[in-house]
Amino acid sequence: TQLLEQSPQFLSIQEGENLTVYCNSSSVFSSLQWYRQEPGEGPVLLVTVVTGGEVKKLKRLTFQFGDARKDSSLHITAAQPGDTGLYLCAGAGGFNTDKLIFGTGTRLQVFP
Amino acid sequence: DARVTQTPRHKVTEMGQEVTMRCQPILGHNTVFWYRQTMMQGLELLAYFRNRAPLDDSGMPKDRFSAEMPDATLATLKIQPSEPRDSAVYFCASGPGTGWTSGYNEQFFGPGTRLTVL
Repeated sequence: TQLLEQSPQFLSIQEGENLTVYCNSSSVFSSLQWYRQEPGEGPVLLVTVVTGGEVKKLKRLTFQFGDARKDSSLHITAAQPGDTGLYLCAGAGGFNTDKLIFGTGTRLQVFP
Repeated sequence: DARVTQTPRHKVTEMGQEVTMRCQPILGHNTVFWYRQTMMQGLELLAYFRNRAPLDDSGMPKDRFSAEMPDATLATLKIQPSEPRDSAVYFCASGPGTGWTSGYNEQFFGPGTRLTVL
């Protein structure tokens, strides 16, 4: 069974601080995605990483896919209150399926 | 602006009643997913369709839940009879179905239906 563990589970920080969220598994994924979910809304896709070692940047967010494609990290620089939400990583279950394996989630609160 | 739409957004019902949730996937997407989200369990996959055919409903309690796609623009999730433990947020998502051959998947979520069963 493929599992994705995220850490930390909860994170409360002040505006301007940096943070990193981790997404780990013992399984290899063909691709990995990060979603952000705000209260009362559905998860919104932020990025997809496909190649081992790949790094993608989205403004203040930096996403990295591990070399072995088993783990990923999300780093936020100078966090803002608008970054508050639930961050979910999701791994593609492989070929011949469209299913995603979702991580356990990291709930981020950024205080002004 | 292509989006997945879901109705109703909120539903309060009494135990034993039938509940029907509807989803309109993004035009052109050939995969549809139903998820349930709770604080305790996180995001759970209930059912998955590809080209309107059900491929996986192993996450769904078969005795009371059913999922269908009457046509390419409508997916439904029914609960009959509903129970208090079904209270959760139910999400529909659709995707272009590229994962089948490329291993590269993306899913786009609707706003969810918040279900409360009293």
